[in-house]
Amino acid sequence: EIVMTQSPATLSVSPGERATLSCRASQSISSSLVWYQQKPGQAPRLLIYGASTRATGIPARFSGSGSGTEFTLTISSLQSEDFAVYYCQQYNTWPRTFGQGTKVEIK
Amino acid sequence: QVQLQESGPGLVKPSETLSLTCTVSGYSISSGYYWGWIRQPPGKGLEWIGNIYHSGSTFYNPSLESRVTISVDTSKNQFSLKLASVTAADTAVYYCTRSSAVDYWGQGTLVTVSS
Repeated sequence: EIVMTQSPATLSVSPGERATLSCRASQSISSSLVWYQQKPGQAPRLLIYGASTRATGIPARFSGSGSGTEFTLTISSLQSEDFAVYYCQQYNTWPRTFGQGTKVEIK
Repeated sequence: QVQLQESGPGLVKPSETLSLTCTVSGYSISSGYYWGWIRQPPGKGLEWIGNIYHSGSTFYNPSLESRVTISVDTSKNQFSLKLASVTAADTAVYYCTRSSAVDYWGQGTLVTVSS
């Protein structure tokens, strides 16, 4: 199975600053990667699919990049509603696997 | 709009079988997509359980495969999860989902395994 590793585990950022989250796959997954955002008590929400395509209704401050084994989610200017946990997940092969999550907290 | 809603017991005894159903509205399961289940133990990350295609093909997490069954009932526009021989480690919020790159989630239902 493909192991997904996210870093850092926690990211402390001030509102208005840029946040960069990383996700690494243990083998190539092409561009078959999604990013989700999860807030406490809520189901995750799809942000990015195909490594770089924003889902419907997702603000332009969220961007994804990468292919193969290295991926990045960038939030260009953090808003108060962006403080949450972010997960990456590969859908290139079975079984589908998730990263352990990155918590973005207020600095 | 597409909506998914989980239903089933919130409390299951150890060694028994956990059974959940997901009712889909706003989209016909038989039209396509993978449908599936993801769980999240309290305070922990997301774990993929498995997917079923509308035709009935299934894919399961190898760590759960011996205990999991996912089935689909296109006539009711529902799909279901059964997890046998549960233990406390199976206590989690269970989400039903559409697609492997999940674009629609149920609200989630907490299932507690306890005697």
